[in-house]
Amino acid sequence: EVQLVESGGGLVQPGGSLRLSCAASGFTFSSYWMSWIRQAPGKGLEWVANIKKDGSESYYADSVRGRFTFSRDNARNSLYLQMNSLRAEDTAVYYCARHPYSSFEMWGQGTMVTVSS
Amino acid sequence: QSALTQPASVSGSPGQSITISCTGSSSDVGGYKYVSWYQQYPGKAPKLMIYGVSNRPSGVSDRFSGSKSGNTASLTISGLQAEDEADYYCSSYTGSSTPYVFGTGTKVTVL
Repeated sequence: EVQLVESGGGLVQPGGSLRLSCAASGFTFSSYWMSWIRQAPGKGLEWVANIKKDGSESYYADSVRGRFTFSRDNARNSLYLQMNSLRAEDTAVYYCARHPYSSFEMWGQGTMVTVSS
Repeated sequence: QSALTQPASVSGSPGQSITISCTGSSSDVGGYKYVSWYQQYPGKAPKLMIYGVSNRPSGVSDRFSGSKSGNTASLTISGLQAEDEADYYCSSYTGSSTPYVFGTGTKVTVL
């Protein structure tokens, strides 16, 4: 089955760190750009970051640049989002998505991150 | 990079057609053929409905169609059905250091 499964969400204090993971299966993972997209409670979608097929390039939204790092391990079919210096406004459901042709064609179920003291 | 502008809500009766607009600028919607549309039910992950302005992925009903004119893209749902009641988001490539932007989202209500 073709799927993406996120994990690693939870409650973290402001200023803290968290590492999200996304496990891919059922397709040739190394053939796709991948993205993280988030959605704050009751709000719209916000693109967070993407990464090239081989992991050599990544791009970030202004709101997270310098605090978040996106990486991938093609041998393990996995993505990682290292989130540092977390703020209350980072509270959201985080989705990983497969990302060909400048669209997000397949999404995981999401993992919730709550930044609160 | 500011979010693309969508109407907060659009409604229609079963069988009618509705259109959702997505307005950006020449730096995003108007500058590239990379507009996509997503359907999201409450508590669920979004689903790709249209990519590349007007292309439907396999399995998406042909009642959904996309177009673009200048800096505004549009999603049209024809033959509106109860199951179409959901939130809809557009997205565009921007070509900038923040390469993607989403729209503000539109809640579609079937009367």
